[in-house]
Amino acid sequence: DTGVSQDPRHKITKRGQNVTFRCDPISEHNRLYWYRQTLGQGPEFLTYFQNEAQLEKSRLLSDRFSAERPKGSFSTLEIQRTEQGDSAMYLCASSLAGGTGVYEQYFGPGTRLTVT
Amino acid sequence: DAKTTQPNSMESNEEEPVHLPCNHSTISGTDYIHWYRQLPSQGPEYVIHGLTSNVNNRMASLAIAEDRKSSTLILHRATLRDAAVYYCILMNTGFQKLVFGTGTRLLVSP
Repeated sequence: DTGVSQDPRHKITKRGQNVTFRCDPISEHNRLYWYRQTLGQGPEFLTYFQNEAQLEKSRLLSDRFSAERPKGSFSTLEIQRTEQGDSAMYLCASSLAGGTGVYEQYFGPGTRLTVT
Repeated sequence: DAKTTQPNSMESNEEEPVHLPCNHSTISGTDYIHWYRQLPSQGPEYVIHGLTSNVNNRMASLAIAEDRKSSTLILHRATLRDAAVYYCILMNTGFQKLVFGTGTRLLVSP
């Protein structure tokens, strides 16, 4: 399967712990996005990368959140000192990029985080 | 970000056509109209997008009003697998993030 993969699929953690999620995009895609989705709501944009450069961060991304994409391949999203409000589905997507085109995004299955 | 308005839910019977409406009265000239859907327990899935002309692909058709203030996603023959939340999203060429609303939940009955 050559789609977007995310690991782990589920994570249960205690409040105050740090967690890290991984996303492997479609191999030829140079853009990678992170979104967060809570129950009953549409996904909310968190941040995106073009190759290894982080080009935009949402105000939702507090200083407890950090994302990296070393070497422009896979990406990690780390949440430090987790809070119960961080419980959500974390979605990763990837796309091609170039010029002024608009490209569809391909989403992974998500990582469901539960903070107890 | 330009805003879209969609009905909260719609119902259809299997094998019947479904027309999902979307209003976007503040659309700008460079906004593309995108549709994504999200099946239960899955990430969103791209369906179709267009700028001015109607578009067809293997999944659906997109009909865009002449003034571009509204559009309709058409599923020609609904199947049970089409039961999902459908999101209508405007995306400008200068921005690459998707701004999701709450979408339309489509229920398909056998």
